[in-house]
Amino acid sequence: AQKITQTQPGMFVQEKEAVTLDCTYDTSDQSYGLFWYKQPSSGEMIFLIYQGSYDEQNATEGRYSLNFQKARKSANLVISASQLGDSAMYFCAMRPGSNDYKLSFGAGTTVTVRA
Amino acid sequence: NAGVTQTPKFQVLKTGQSMTLQCAQDMNHEYMSWYRQDPGMGLRLIHYSVGAGITDQGEVPNGYNVSRSTTEDFPLRLLSAAPSQTSVYFCASSYSGPAETQYFGPGTRLLVL
Repeated sequence: AQKITQTQPGMFVQEKEAVTLDCTYDTSDQSYGLFWYKQPSSGEMIFLIYQGSYDEQNATEGRYSLNFQKARKSANLVISASQLGDSAMYFCAMRPGSNDYKLSFGAGTTVTVRA
Repeated sequence: NAGVTQTPKFQVLKTGQSMTLQCAQDMNHEYMSWYRQDPGMGLRLIHYSVGAGITDQGEVPNGYNVSRSTTEDFPLRLLSAAPSQTSVYFCASSYSGPAETQYFGPGTRLLVL
């Protein structure tokens, strides 16, 4: 399985501030996809953002942006203007190859937003 | 659309019992998969299917069987439950394609005593 590393087990952020969640990955494939999912305390997995390895622009979805540094094999998630509802576990995941749909997940980072 | 549905939401089994976790999707997705989530770990792939009649093993397939007789359904069978299979199980589906997002069901929490 591909290796995804999330080095921050837990983070605290003040409401309305930005937070960056780290994700590094290891693959020898040239074509791959990177995903971020949010898991609130209710347990469901919510898709946030996707970045393809050949995408030249960093992906953005509303308050979420992905800081993609291909040479460093890094795909950090930036959440801007944090809200209390952003408190959750966040998972980085990678799908290797252009015809391989299997996802490998990191261990996750718990984000707690303080009022 | 109901999306991806899973039943049951919670189940308690005794060691050695068998059971089937149900997963269904109404989005006509070709690709379906099963993951397990254990505390402190990310999701790990158990089995997946790229279409009706086609299944393959993921990272942690031992102790589980799957079949895909229709596009909509992808059940996961525990043959002889063990305490190590206590986990939260997620089913996911997507269209085929490199940029397609996998959508997850709500999960089934399984406790094996």
